[in-house]
Amino acid sequence: QQPVQSPQAVILREGEDAVINCSSSKALYSVHWYRQKHGEAPVFLMILLKGGEQKGHEKISASFNEKKQQSSLYLTASQLSYSGTYFCGTRTGNQFYFGTGTSLTVIP
Amino acid sequence: DSGVTQTPKHLITATGQRVTLRCSPRSGDLSVYWYQQSLDQGLQFLIQYYNGEERAKGNILERFSAQQFPDLHSELNLSSLELGDSALYFCASSTRDRGADTQYFGPGTRLTVL
Repeated sequence: QQPVQSPQAVILREGEDAVINCSSSKALYSVHWYRQKHGEAPVFLMILLKGGEQKGHEKISASFNEKKQQSSLYLTASQLSYSGTYFCGTRTGNQFYFGTGTSLTVIP
Repeated sequence: DSGVTQTPKHLITATGQRVTLRCSPRSGDLSVYWYQQSLDQGLQFLIQYYNGEERAKGNILERFSAQQFPDLHSELNLSSLELGDSALYFCASSTRDRGADTQYFGPGTRLTVL
């Protein structure tokens, strides 16, 4: 089942923060986060494993709550380069699912 | 550059035809994943191979098949093509089998079925 992401789209001014949520109806083993710019391949941001792990990558961090079957991506002090579509990717059993996507636009 | 290569970059063909998409994983990666991305369906997992063996199967149509060769490159075969098969096809590779590590995506093959 495809995870649901919220919001679907968000517009930020440079320097503002954003949170993108990913929610699954099935138990999760791991959650991946990717950013995809138009016409390009998804680029890996980070992976979180079971255990409530939280990771950070520069000004981007994420959390994973396996009990709630949810993950959140936090972008702080956004930059123009953060614009793109963000996908969560999840593994449930032997299947891989990508979320519905969140379009993020950062404007000057 | 992720280190994953895909050929061709673009493919235009007619309905009913058959095409083969090729993927070479990053050096040292044993897992290859295939994904389809279309406007209305988002990113869909098709199939995974690990060291030559099929490991996981997603929403792959019976008209589609894939294999991974001894040199670890993979091919995705699409037959009896329909208009709805037009999409971006990505392959990704990772080191391990269980999907708990990073997947590096290739640049994709854009398939247009006319």
